[in-house]
Amino acid sequence: KQEVTQIPAALSVPEGENLVLNCSFTDSAIYNLQWFRQDPGKGLTSLLLIQSSQREQTSGRLNASLDKSSGRSTLYIAASQPGDSATYLCAVCMDKAAGNKLTFGGGTRVLVKP
Amino acid sequence: KAGVTQTPRYLIKTRGQQVTLSCSPISGHRSVSWYQQTPGQGLQFLFEYFSETQRNKGNFPGRFSGRQFSNSRSEMNVSTLELGDSALYLCASSPTRPAYEQYFGPGTRLTVT
Repeated sequence: KQEVTQIPAALSVPEGENLVLNCSFTDSAIYNLQWFRQDPGKGLTSLLLIQSSQREQTSGRLNASLDKSSGRSTLYIAASQPGDSATYLCAVCMDKAAGNKLTFGGGTRVLVKP
Repeated sequence: KAGVTQTPRYLIKTRGQQVTLSCSPISGHRSVSWYQQTPGQGLQFLFEYFSETQRNKGNFPGRFSGRQFSNSRSEMNVSTLELGDSALYLCASSPTRPAYEQYFGPGTRLTVT
């Protein structure tokens, strides 16, 4: 059974500092891994998706890496801003037979202080 | 293109009642998945529908059910509500299965009293 863990559960950084968010999973036979952002009481916004054959994806200040062999993904957010304050969730999709079922980590709640 | 819409956005029900939540996917998307989010359990997969057929089901009791219509809109139903069913219910849509990316709606906040 796939288990996804995100540590730490909460993180507070001063504005301008780079953010490093970690995600680990127990079963390396994933189809893809997706990072989401969630603002309080809201739905999820997709940030980056990494296919199992890829090592990293970049979008603006965001960069996500994937190391399947060690069961880890890292989300880097450069030069953090107060608007980056939110909960960040990673989710894995297993093989094609699993369809669109995502297994989520518990999330990391980020606070960027001005 | 309009995003995923969920109705109603907020709902208060009494223990023992039943509730129906609705999800309209992005136009052209044929897959709809449902998730329950609670502070204690986090985000948990409920079920996935594709072309009106349930393709995948999470580990929830039979009180949780769903369906998908020919226009891809989906509903989920919870019967005999319990206090522990209080949660944010999210649906996600995607054009295919498995999808390259999934798009989530704003959720329905259900409170059971």
